[in-house]
Amino acid sequence: GENVEQHPSTLSVQEGDSAVIKCTYSDSASNYFPWYKQELGKRPQLIIDIRSNVGEKKDQRIAVTLNKTAKHFSLHITETQPEDSAVYFCAALNQAGTALIFGKGTTLSVSS
Amino acid sequence: DAGVIQSPRHEVTEMGQEVTLRCKPISGHNSLFWYRQTMMRGLELLIYFNNNVPIDDSGMPEDRFSAKMPNASFSTLKIQPSEPRDSAVYFCASTSGTGVNQPQHFGDGTRLSIL
Repeated sequence: GENVEQHPSTLSVQEGDSAVIKCTYSDSASNYFPWYKQELGKRPQLIIDIRSNVGEKKDQRIAVTLNKTAKHFSLHITETQPEDSAVYFCAALNQAGTALIFGKGTTLSVSS
Repeated sequence: DAGVIQSPRHEVTEMGQEVTLRCKPISGHNSLFWYRQTMMRGLELLIYFNNNVPIDDSGMPEDRFSAKMPNASFSTLKIQPSEPRDSAVYFCASTSGTGVNQPQHFGDGTRLSIL
């Protein structure tokens, strides 16, 4: 079945630095790749998503890139702030189009 | 927009007891998802409803788990009998449209502890 690998599992950066989280997926038919942010004890919230017909999408300090040939996609956060500290999950749609398969998450810590 | 509403927020019960989790999706959303989150297994889809009909229940772990959606504004996830390994945070999410490839809006979750 579909598998989504996410790296790194933890990431610590200084305020103002950039953070990059990478995911690979196994099903070449996947065409939807969302990223969710989950603060401690809170619900996952969608921060950005990308579909397979584009290679990059940007929203202020957040960007996502997609390489369909290599089957990987990445989240880029620039000018990080302490409030960016959270667990970030990538996901990919399964082959049947009936479920999102989530990565195991990356715990991002931004220190001031 | 009140968002996805789940109840209870916390549930502590003894093993063997029946547990019922409830979810009210965002009004107008016609797809609903139940997820389970644990440290070991991460975020896993249990079941997906579209227009109140179960579309994919392959993630339901075993017969002790059942889910219903009697109408567009209410769904339940039931565990009977409950076991300590069922302890997790259970999230409900909803989305508009018919596909899973739409932004999913999560509720605040139910933190379930089975003693």
